[in-house]
Amino acid sequence: KAGVTQTPRYLIKTRGQQVTLSCSPISGHRSVSWYQQTPGQGLQFLFEYFSETQRNKGNFPGRFSGRQFSNSRSEMNVSTLELGDSALYLCASSLIGGTMGSYNEQFFGPGTRLTVL
Amino acid sequence: AQKVTQAQTEISVVEKEDVTLDCVYETRDTTYYLFWYKQPPSGELVFLIRRNSFDEQNEISGRYSWNFQKSTSSFNFTITASQVVDSAVYFCALSEAEGYSTLTFGKGTMLLVSP
Repeated sequence: KAGVTQTPRYLIKTRGQQVTLSCSPISGHRSVSWYQQTPGQGLQFLFEYFSETQRNKGNFPGRFSGRQFSNSRSEMNVSTLELGDSALYLCASSLIGGTMGSYNEQFFGPGTRLTVL
Repeated sequence: AQKVTQAQTEISVVEKEDVTLDCVYETRDTTYYLFWYKQPPSGELVFLIRRNSFDEQNEISGRYSWNFQKSTSSFNFTITASQVVDSAVYFCALSEAEGYSTLTFGKGTMLLVSP
């Protein structure tokens, strides 16, 4: 069974540009969550999607947005990039979202490392 | 609000030493879940363990063991006879046990095991 895949793995952008990251969940998983990892703030929850609907959102500015498609694949977009957006962006998929149920573990992808110059 | 504190930023040990990674959490919930994840240099988070707040039994899995103490809000992780392959960043995380909750992570502890 293929794991969570994220593309691209590495990305370099300049300030003011926008970027789109992609996440393909494990087959059959309907929930996709996004996390930002930086040396200063650590791992922070961005948002979660289930059945094409954003169900949960972290404390990030509106420049961060996302969507989920009918095949459960998800994209996140960051507009007007700032230097502080440089981070590893991790995607996690699970069957139904949340953390209840031992069958409902979150599986993480390898991440996309975004560098903003 | 939930909070997870991993006070050890970096730990260096020599192979075969035992090492304990500390995790202290704060939550107002009476029911919650605690997790440990390992992040190797490749970047993806690897799930190690999940523990329900009602289950305070310690758990052992091979060289790994976990000590959950509700009285001190701690969920510590011990690696016995450490190996070079254990070198990674280890994260402790907390989530509510209701609804579609998300994970609140600690800042992580980098473990360096040298030969």
